[in-house]
Amino acid sequence: KAGVTQTPRYLIKTRGQQVTLSCSPISGHRSVSWYQQTPGQGLQFLFEYFSETQRNKGNFPGRFSGRQFSNSRSEMNVSTLELGDSALYLCASSSTSDGFDEQFFGPGTRLTVL
Amino acid sequence: AQKITQTQPGMFVQEKEAVTLDCTYDTSDPSYGLFWYKQPSSGEMIFLIYQGSYDQQNATEGRYSLNFQKARKSANLVISASQLGDSAMYFCAMRVRGAGSYQLTFGKGTKLSVIP
Repeated sequence: KAGVTQTPRYLIKTRGQQVTLSCSPISGHRSVSWYQQTPGQGLQFLFEYFSETQRNKGNFPGRFSGRQFSNSRSEMNVSTLELGDSALYLCASSSTSDGFDEQFFGPGTRLTVL
Repeated sequence: AQKITQTQPGMFVQEKEAVTLDCTYDTSDPSYGLFWYKQPSSGEMIFLIYQGSYDQQNATEGRYSLNFQKARKSANLVISASQLGDSAMYFCAMRVRGAGSYQLTFGKGTKLSVIP
């Protein structure tokens, strides 16, 4: 069974641009979560989707948005990029709806904002 | 609000020795799950072990065991017989069953270095 895939793996953008990251969960998984990891703030929750509905959102500005498609693939978008958005963005998928099963993480997308 | 505290920024252990990584948590929700993840330098988060708040026994997975002390709100990870490949960042995380709360709250992590 294929694991969680994230594309692209590396991305370089300049301030003010926007970016879209993609995540394909493990086949059959309906929950997808996104996390941002930075040296200063550590791992922070961005949002979680289940069956195309956003169930929870972390404390991030409206420039960060996401969506989930009917095949459970998810995208997150960051508009008007800032230097502080440079981070590793991790996506995780899980199979059940109650949140108490293992979350499988992808390899991450490393975003650099210049 | 939930909080995870990992007080050891870095640890060293001799190969083949056991090591304990500390984790304390704070939540008012009686139903929660505790997770440990390993993150090698490649960046991917690898699930190691899970403990539910109502589980009576401490969780074990191969060389990993979780020392769960509910009254003290601690969930320490014990790695037995350390290997060079265990060198990585280790994160403790928690998920509560409160309404609308499905995210993992992570600690700051502990960098483990295994010495040959």
